[in-house]
Amino acid sequence: DIQMTQSPSSLSASVGDRVTITCRASQSISSYLNWYQQKPGKAPKLLIYAASSLQSGVPSRFSGSGSGTDFTLTISSLQPEDFATYYCQQSYSTPKTFGQGTRLEIK
Amino acid sequence: EVQLLESGGGLVQPGGSLRLSCAASGFTFSSYAMSWVRQAPGKGLEWVSAISGSGGSTYYADSVKGRFTISRDNSKNTLYLQMNSLRAEDTAVYYCAKDALFLTGYYDAFDIWGQGTMVTVSS
Repeated sequence: DIQMTQSPSSLSASVGDRVTITCRASQSISSYLNWYQQKPGKAPKLLIYAASSLQSGVPSRFSGSGSGTDFTLTISSLQPEDFATYYCQQSYSTPKTFGQGTRLEIK
Repeated sequence: EVQLLESGGGLVQPGGSLRLSCAASGFTFSSYAMSWVRQAPGKGLEWVSAISGSGGSTYYADSVKGRFTISRDNSKNTLYLQMNSLRAEDTAVYYCAKDALFLTGYYDAFDIWGQGTMVTVSS
């Protein structure tokens, strides 16, 4: 199985900050990498697919990059509604494993 | 409106069984693979099982293989998860998710999620 490791596990930031979350795969997954946002008590929401493609309706302050084993999710200017937990997920092979999550908190 | 609505969760004793359902609306259900993803209390997301659009292919996480069975009824636009021999570690919110294809079908991701149904395994 492919292991997905996110860093950091938690992060404190302020409104307006630029934030980067990293995801590393245990083997090459090309660009088969998705990012999700989850708020407490809610279902996850797809933000980015295929490593860098923005899902319809997602604000352009979210961006993704990377290929192979190393990927990043960047939020260019944090908004109050962005404080949530973020997960990466590989869709290269089954089981479609998720990272352990990165909790983004208000500083 | 594209929507997924899970049901069937509840409290069950260890070793017991439960069947979850996920009713889909607003899209051509039979055209899409579907998955179940679970989240234990305070923990991260875990992919559990997937099924092709026709129902002909199924996939399972090692943690549930041999105990859980995924199925679908395309005439009823409904996805199911039959869970047998339940264990305490199966306690979680169970989400169904639509597996969308992007970029001419080369990439996939879970683009629509249900609200989740809670399964608690405890004596």
